[in-house]
Amino acid sequence: SYVLTQPPSVSVAPGKTATITCGGDDIRTKIVQWYQQKPGQAPVRVIYYDNARPSGIPERFSGSNSGSTAILTISRVEAGDEADYYCQVWDSSTYHWVFGGGTQLTVL
Amino acid sequence: EVQLVESGGGLVQPGGSLRLSCKASGFAVSSDYMSWVRQAPGKGLDWVSLIFSGGATYHADSVKGRFTISRDASRNTVYLQMHSLRPDDTAIYYCARGDYGPYGMDVWGQGTTVTVSS
Repeated sequence: SYVLTQPPSVSVAPGKTATITCGGDDIRTKIVQWYQQKPGQAPVRVIYYDNARPSGIPERFSGSNSGSTAILTISRVEAGDEADYYCQVWDSSTYHWVFGGGTQLTVL
Repeated sequence: EVQLVESGGGLVQPGGSLRLSCKASGFAVSSDYMSWVRQAPGKGLDWVSLIFSGGATYHADSVKGRFTISRDASRNTVYLQMHSLRPDDTAIYYCARGDYGPYGMDVWGQGTTVTVSS
């Protein structure tokens, strides 16, 4: 089965740029989504189709996907961005959704 | 307003059964694909089951043969029937609407908690 690997945690100072990686075998051939989940809340999709932003998501959130790594970039990080972030892809060989293990973003 | 509301969670003994419901409003569950995703305490997101608009269903290997996803278009509701529950099935269960194709899930419910314990 397909596996997505994320770092458990990332820390960043307010106003700086946070980078969260998502590794997978030839992930560039897959379409990647990113979800933000704050404590006690349901996940919210912040990026789909590798780099598209749903309405209402700030332009500070962006995504990229190449080689074996997809990246979520959060520019000008704010305290309110502190959350867990998950990457996700569709595994067309098994018709399963696959989530990464999640990355806890801490704003220092 | 597009909304999903889950219900049916609770405490159940190992080996028991439970049926979760996901009531949709603002769209028809039969016109989109719907998923169940769970999250064990302190853990990450774990996809459970999926039903396509055409009716085809798929389940994660960890629940195959024990869980069944279904829907009732007349009630605009999606269900997750769970049998032979195990302690490691303890989690918050979220219902989510699938976006076009492989674009993930664009609407999530607030979740319902299932606890499997004696």
